[in-house]
Amino acid sequence: EAQVTQNPRYLITVTGKKLTVTCSQNMNHEYMSWYRQDPGLGLRQIYYSMNVEVTDKGDVPEGYKVSRKEKRNFPLILESPSPNQTSLYFCASSPGTTLYEQYFGPGTRLTVT
Amino acid sequence: AQSVSQHNHHVILSEAASLELGCNYSYGGTVNLFWYVQYPGQHLQLLLKYFSGDPLVKGIKGFEAEFIKSKFSFNLRKPSVQWSDTAEYFCAVGRTGTYKYIFGTGTRLKVLA
Repeated sequence: EAQVTQNPRYLITVTGKKLTVTCSQNMNHEYMSWYRQDPGLGLRQIYYSMNVEVTDKGDVPEGYKVSRKEKRNFPLILESPSPNQTSLYFCASSPGTTLYEQYFGPGTRLTVT
Repeated sequence: AQSVSQHNHHVILSEAASLELGCNYSYGGTVNLFWYVQYPGQHLQLLLKYFSGDPLVKGIKGFEAEFIKSKFSFNLRKPSVQWSDTAEYFCAVGRTGTYKYIFGTGTRLKVLA
């Protein structure tokens, strides 16, 4: 089954404790992206990747890091999480540019205390 | 700044009522347009998309949208809603040839049985 998977689905952590949220897709998509969803703000793009080793900032990249060492994986790293990063995070993938629809993962609900 | 506006934040309708959700964007140039739906507790799924051609596009579950270039709008419509349409709806825009998407803030639709 074609899908985007994320782990963990739920995470509660404390301020400053480094964490990684994994994202994997099995559709051989070139493009992958991370979003955060906050009430009243919709989805905001954090980082995206056009291909292996090619990444770029979205609209809200501060406090986040990403890497794309393999085509299928695109982990999101929070080096020093803060409470304002409490959010619902979605990973997405697509075959290429904005000409294509994105396929979304199930989401990761992160709480930073 | 480039933006996508969804003016209706919350909509409550009775079953069989007609639905129209507004979406306006502020990009110049050629864009690709999407409507996604997020059912409670689920990830985003594509409803429909527009790239070029007929400005009236039909999607899944009886939804349609009309692209009006002169108004920078891409409104979503459904002639008769069902209880199962209760969800959050997001409009998204991507400039042609790029990899960046901008999402609207979303519209929460509640359909009363």
